[in-house]
Amino acid sequence: AQSVAQPEDQVNVAEGNPLTVKCTYSVSGNPYLFWYVQYPNRGLQFLLKYITGDNLVKGSYGFEAEFNKSQTSFHLKKPSALVSDSALYFCAVRDTGSARQLTFGSGTQLTVLP
Amino acid sequence: DAGITQSPRHKVTETGTPVTLRCHQTENHRYMYWYRQDPGHGLRLIHYSYGVKDTDKGEVSDGYSVSRSKTEDFLLTLESATSSQTSVYFCAISDPSDSLHEQFFGPGTRLTVL
Repeated sequence: AQSVAQPEDQVNVAEGNPLTVKCTYSVSGNPYLFWYVQYPNRGLQFLLKYITGDNLVKGSYGFEAEFNKSQTSFHLKKPSALVSDSALYFCAVRDTGSARQLTFGSGTQLTVLP
Repeated sequence: DAGITQSPRHKVTETGTPVTLRCHQTENHRYMYWYRQDPGHGLRLIHYSYGVKDTDKGEVSDGYSVSRSKTEDFLLTLESATSSQTSVYFCAISDPSDSLHEQFFGPGTRLTVL
């Protein structure tokens, strides 16, 4: 069975500072990893993914994520946070079966303080 | 929200009544999914469909049924709603030929069972 852990329910960071949202995973075989963002009263929006290749993945809105196989982690990062980055962030892992089922973490609420 | 609509967007109902939520897509994607979102749990898969009349159970399928008679529509039915089914429900779609492996999400339906 696959699983995802987001150890922090809430992350606060000052505008202009770097941010990190943590994610660790457990999956048999090679992982397909995703980050999604949810703004209030909206559906989830895709940010970035790791399928294969470079361990540093760049995505939308200046976000990036670092895949670390030995630590089974896929942390989301941004060099300089904006107030508009405040949202709920979800990490997800996909199984390698044909149904492409995603397993989500519990989410991390990011608040960027002005 | 990538050609996905959900109806209704909000619904309040009473315990024991049947409820049907509709997901409609204009992308002609083969896979469709129903998730529920609850605080502390992230998104959990209820049911999914991999083609017309082809459906399967997800992690939290008890008390829910689904139907897919057309590619574009995926219905979620609560035969007899309970208060524990108060949640926000999201539909998602994906295309098996899509090398990006992404799921695209609808705007959600907020269901309250009194």
